[in-house]
Amino acid sequence: GAVVSQHPSWVICKSGTSVKIECRSLDFQATTMFWYRQFPKQSLMLMATSNEGSKATYEQGVEKDKFLINHASLTLSTLTVTSAHPEDSSFYICSARGGLAGGPTDTQYFGPGTRLTVL
Amino acid sequence: QKEVEQDPGPLSVPEGAIVSLNCTYSNSAFQYFMWYRQYSRKGPELLMYTYSSGNKEDGRFTAQVDKSSKYISLFIRDSQPSDSATYLCAMSRAAGNKLTFGGGTRVLVKP
Repeated sequence: GAVVSQHPSWVICKSGTSVKIECRSLDFQATTMFWYRQFPKQSLMLMATSNEGSKATYEQGVEKDKFLINHASLTLSTLTVTSAHPEDSSFYICSARGGLAGGPTDTQYFGPGTRLTVL
Repeated sequence: QKEVEQDPGPLSVPEGAIVSLNCTYSNSAFQYFMWYRQYSRKGPELLMYTYSSGNKEDGRFTAQVDKSSKYISLFIRDSQPSDSATYLCAMSRAAGNKLTFGGGTRVLVKP
């Protein structure tokens, strides 16, 4: 249980284009999903928290107009990197809050990640 | 100073040895403690989840939390080459809430 998928697993795009990454909770409903980015040999950096049906909450220093997050349903959140630049190249990972609320498994379950390369 | 400190390693051990990992933290508000395993170019996988102080065992894995010392540990018994990965500690103030991660420890188990 608590399986999270991401699509695509990797993407290469040209500078200036937009890229959409999907995050799905496959066997549970997730009212809250999180988006992270990870640079090589570094830990995960939280970008934003998204709650179904409401606007995402962005961490300090993350441009909300550049990284658009939509959490339209209880099983799907999307991250769109707009006007991508080479410095946006990174590993993007989503997670979904799963498990029985308040119980011993109430935590974040991670997707496999999406590697974005901007040329 | 980071909220959560974790030695980056690498930690190299022979197959069959016990792997000992730990994190220290500064915020006493953390109540939930997790260990994730991350293989290269993959998402983190939840290994252990502990609430407050105490020990928890699951197969070859044992997690310990000492809130008085703000110190958590993960032990892997009978280590295997397939345990070679980066191990991330994470903690939160409330269940399912925003996680604060350590920097990760890279572990190499040599056959």
